[in-house]
Amino acid sequence: AQRVTQPEKLLSVFKGAPVELKCNYSYSGSPELFWYVQYSRQRLQLLLRHISRESIKGFTADLNKGETSFHLKKPFAQEEDSAMYYCALRPPGSSNTGKLIFGQGTTLQVKP
Amino acid sequence: NAGVMQNPRHLVRRRGQEARLRCSPMKGHSHVYWYRQLPEEGLKFMVYLQKENIIDESGMPKERFSAEFPKEGPSILRIQQVVRGDSAAYFCASSPSADQPQHFGDGTRLSIL
Repeated sequence: AQRVTQPEKLLSVFKGAPVELKCNYSYSGSPELFWYVQYSRQRLQLLLRHISRESIKGFTADLNKGETSFHLKKPFAQEEDSAMYYCALRPPGSSNTGKLIFGQGTTLQVKP
Repeated sequence: NAGVMQNPRHLVRRRGQEARLRCSPMKGHSHVYWYRQLPEEGLKFMVYLQKENIIDESGMPKERFSAEFPKEGPSILRIQQVVRGDSAAYFCASSPSADQPQHFGDGTRLSIL
């Protein structure tokens, strides 16, 4: 079954500490992976997609097909990074549907 | 560009009533997706529509739920004879094509009394 797992419901770190939000997926094939973020009182917005291989707001994520993971990392957390983060998968061959499969989300809390 | 607009933001219904949720996609976007988020869970895909066509409704409950995206006007998610279990946040997203990133609305929080 297609599944995205974010094992941590809450991740709490101090400002300046490294951050890694975990995401594992279950799918045999080459899906497209995304990270979405929802800041307080804002709508869900795209943070990263793996095919872009870019860094946004200091965050990076590498697709590891061997471990079926797409962990989100940032070397030095900032207080403004506090938000809910969702990992999402788009199954291959669904370019005609585009539907996303989301993980349960991880709340990142960056303490001063 | 105001982004994806959903209304109402909050909707309260009594059991047995009908709920209508509206979604206006971003300008230039003809692909609309509906997702549901139950408490403490992630977003779950419900249905994908293009103008006047339902392309994928594999996530829609078999009964009481329907969706449309008419040639003119917003997309509508309709829930008939609502039950307590329908209480959730319903999110709409749009994109210019199926392989482009989806842009989300603020969601509609549906509460069933």
